[in-house]
Amino acid sequence: NAGVTQTPKFRVLKTGQSMTLLCAQDMNHEYMYWYRQDPGMGLRLIHYSVGEGTTAKGEVPDGYNVSRLKKQNFLLGLESAAPSQTSVYFCASSKSGAPYNEQFFGPGTRLTVL
Amino acid sequence: GQQVMQIPQYQHVQEGEDFTTYCNSSTTLSNIQWYKQRPGGHPVFLIQLVKSGEVKKQKRLTFQFGEAKKNSSLHITATQTTDVGTYFCAGPGSNYQLIWGAGTKLIIKP
Repeated sequence: NAGVTQTPKFRVLKTGQSMTLLCAQDMNHEYMYWYRQDPGMGLRLIHYSVGEGTTAKGEVPDGYNVSRLKKQNFLLGLESAAPSQTSVYFCASSKSGAPYNEQFFGPGTRLTVL
Repeated sequence: GQQVMQIPQYQHVQEGEDFTTYCNSSTTLSNIQWYKQRPGGHPVFLIQLVKSGEVKKQKRLTFQFGEAKKNSSLHITATQTTDVGTYFCAGPGSNYQLIWGAGTKLIIKP
């Protein structure tokens, strides 16, 4: 079991460029989440999904889009990157049934926007 | 909106000293979770507390959930270098979300 994997691990973008971050989980979890973590701050939820084909906005969704076409994958897109999106991005997943079950995190993607 | 506040932001201790972080919610929580994030790593689940007044131990770590289910604490006895990291509490919000505290960073003084 690989758990939750994220690609890429690091990325540097120029302002205005686009990119997609991929999250994959092999635990058959229904729920998946995208967070960003900025220095000295906690985790802020960008978007989440409670099942294949469904997505919803979190606390800080602006500038991001997501898709969950397959249960095991959750994609985060930046259409036009801005320096304010420099951050560490974490994907997480959890079981369904009890929505507040423990979340399993991927190793993170460190994104710098110049 | 619902908030989870965590203090202190940082705590510097000598190895062998104790460490405590506190978590307070603006609303009553059905449960609270604790996570640890090592430097450069990702958050890892430690424990979930559900019952009012619950106390759980994991070796040198003691977790408490307040009687009113609005506060929680994590206490580490006799810290070791392996305890270094940031400890987060998180409580359930609306729509399957977790509301996260800002974390307490444990720093061991050389």
